[in-house]
Amino acid sequence: DAGVIQSPRHEVTEMGQEVTLRCKPISGHDYLFWYRQTMMRGLELLIYFNNNVPIDDSGMPEDRFSAKMPNASFSTLKIQPSEPRDSAVYFCASSETANQPQHFGDGTRLSIL
Amino acid sequence: GESVGLHLPTLSVQEGDNSIINCAYSNSASDYFIWYKQESGKGPQFIIDIRSNMDKRQGQRVTVLLNKTVKHLSLQIAATQPGDSAVYFCADNAGNMLTFGGGTRLMVKP
Repeated sequence: DAGVIQSPRHEVTEMGQEVTLRCKPISGHDYLFWYRQTMMRGLELLIYFNNNVPIDDSGMPEDRFSAKMPNASFSTLKIQPSEPRDSAVYFCASSETANQPQHFGDGTRLSIL
Repeated sequence: GESVGLHLPTLSVQEGDNSIINCAYSNSASDYFIWYKQESGKGPQFIIDIRSNMDKRQGQRVTVLLNKTVKHLSLQIAATQPGDSAVYFCADNAGNMLTFGGGTRLMVKP
C-alpha cells in the first residue's frame, strides 16, 4: 500500500529561481495538506484541499507561494521567486476525511542559496 | 498543541523503562487528537489517536490519555526500545485542520 509520495526529496537552487514541489496523495483520500517544517517555527500548515478544491490558504506566507491540485492524485506547491528564507522541509499529507489521521510523505528538503 | 519555540524538550529514558510524553493544547473546541512520531529524515508517522468522547485509548505498547478539563494529552510508551528514539508531536483538530505542538525528543539509552 503506497503512502504519500513526494518529489523531489532534495532540492538545492539559487535564490530567484522557481521551485516546484510535487505530491501524490494516498488513493481515496479526499483531503490534501501542505506543511512547512523549520527549527524556528516547527510544523506549519500552508494550505489544504478537499476534493481538489483549495479550502484554506491562510498559512501561505506570501504571494510567491502557490499550490494547485489539478486532479485527485496530484498536487504541486510552487515558489516563485524563491528566497533563502524559504529553505525548509516541505511535507505533503493526505487523509480520508477531516477527522481521520493525516498520513505524511517523507518531505522535500529545500535549500535556497 | 502549543508551540515551544526553538527549544525542543528532551526525554531521556533507559531501554525497557516506560516513557511518558506530555502535551498541552489550547483550543477547547478541539475534538480529535493525534500523536505522531518523526524520525530523522522522515515525515511524521501516525501512532495513535483519540476523540474527545474518550479519556484513554490503548494501542500496541502505547497508551494515550486525554484530560479535557486541563487540556492535556499524554503518550505512554511501555518497555521503551531503541527504535522508539524520535521526536514525538501531539496534534489537535478543531474543524478540518491540525495544530501541532512543538515536539518532544525521546532518547533511549541502551
